[in-house]
Amino acid sequence: AQSVTQPDIHITVSEGASLELRCNYSYGATPYLFWYVQSPGQGLQLLLKYFSGDTLVQGIKGFEAEFKRSQSSFNLRKPSVHWSDAAEYFCAVGEEIGSSNTGKLIFGQGTTLQVKP
Amino acid sequence: KAGVTQTPRYLIKTRGQQVTLSCSPISGHRSVSWYQQTPGQGLQFLFEYFSETQRNKGNFPGRFSGRQFSNSRSEMNVSTLELGDSALYLCASSLAGRDHNEQFFGPGTRLTVL
Repeated sequence: AQSVTQPDIHITVSEGASLELRCNYSYGATPYLFWYVQSPGQGLQLLLKYFSGDTLVQGIKGFEAEFKRSQSSFNLRKPSVHWSDAAEYFCAVGEEIGSSNTGKLIFGQGTTLQVKP
Repeated sequence: KAGVTQTPRYLIKTRGQQVTLSCSPISGHRSVSWYQQTPGQGLQFLFEYFSETQRNKGNFPGRFSGRQFSNSRSEMNVSTLELGDSALYLCASSLAGRDHNEQFFGPGTRLTVL
């Protein structure tokens, strides 16, 4: 079965520092990959997605992610973190059965980002 | 375009009761999915509806059910509530729920079972 692993449960960075959140997925001939952000008490907001094509994808709020098939990774990056980026971040993959996408998202456990002033 | 709306935002119920949650998708979206979010289990898929038909189902007991109406609005029902059903229930809509269709999430309904 497909799965998503976010190795870091909690990360603290200083405001203005760069950020990289790790995500590894299993299986998927052509994985559909997503990063979502969740602020306390809120739903999930889509930051960016990868379906095919250029392996470096740009998202909202200055985030980008790079798909590396050889490493089964889809890491999220931001060059300079702002205090408002403090939230929980979820990596997700679209479930595949055979060669068909079922529409179901499989989420990682999430990474909580704390930003120090 | 209005986003996904969920009502109510907060609910408190007691064990044994039943509850119905509502979700209105983004206009034009025909697929609605439901997820349960808890601190221990994270985000887990409940089911997906498309054109009033359940198209996919997660690994939850039969106490969890749902339906979709002709206007794509969806409801989920949980009967005989248990303490472990306390969670944030998230609804997501997409155009068709399959290839190349990202899901847009609502703010969630926070259910507390006492």
